[in-house]
Amino acid sequence: DAGVIQSPRHEVTEMGQEVTLRCKPISGHDYLFWYRQTMMRGLELLIYFNNNVPIDDSGMPEDRFSAKMPNASFSTLKIQPSEPRDSAVYFCASSLVKGGNTIYFGEGSWLTVV
Amino acid sequence: SQKIEQNSEALNIQEGKTATLTCNYTNYSPAYLQWYRQDPGRGPVFLLLIRENEKEKRKERLKVTFDTTLKQSLFHITASQPADSATYLCALGNNAGKSTFGDGTTLTVKP
Repeated sequence: DAGVIQSPRHEVTEMGQEVTLRCKPISGHDYLFWYRQTMMRGLELLIYFNNNVPIDDSGMPEDRFSAKMPNASFSTLKIQPSEPRDSAVYFCASSLVKGGNTIYFGEGSWLTVV
Repeated sequence: SQKIEQNSEALNIQEGKTATLTCNYTNYSPAYLQWYRQDPGRGPVFLLLIRENEKEKRKERLKVTFDTTLKQSLFHITASQPADSATYLCALGNNAGKSTFGDGTTLTVKP
């Protein structure tokens, strides 16, 4: 399997612009996670899905952030409008079987908002 | 509120020695605990999982202990090598599939 695939790998955008990050989880996995990593706050869980349904979005920082999972093989994380403080590495991850599953991470999307 | 603390941001040891990393938590009752390795510019990679009813797990040169009374996990790398240099993250998971990560400890193994 190719692993979790994220795009874009790097993005530089201007404040106020819309940013869409994309993720293809590992085939057959039933959990999908969006994490954000910064030096200041470490690795934070933003939202996660089980069988395409959002289970917990309590980590989403504010209404500017939204995530969707229209099918088992695709998810998006959207920021609109973007702000400089959104600059971070955004990781998508997937797993199979709750209660002790291994989480497989993508290589991350490096976002810089100027 | 829930809190996960990993010992010192950085740990430097000599090649061949045993590295011991600590993960302490409060206000949490995890069903399991995991350890991940993260290299610069890469996503975390799973290493080991230990469940709440287990005391110790081993995998090659790695050993994890889990003490739910002390609310602590220890992660050991024996016969450390420069290639073990990386950031190591602990993660606590619940039965709803949610995993929360610590901030990580950066290990440097000097030849």
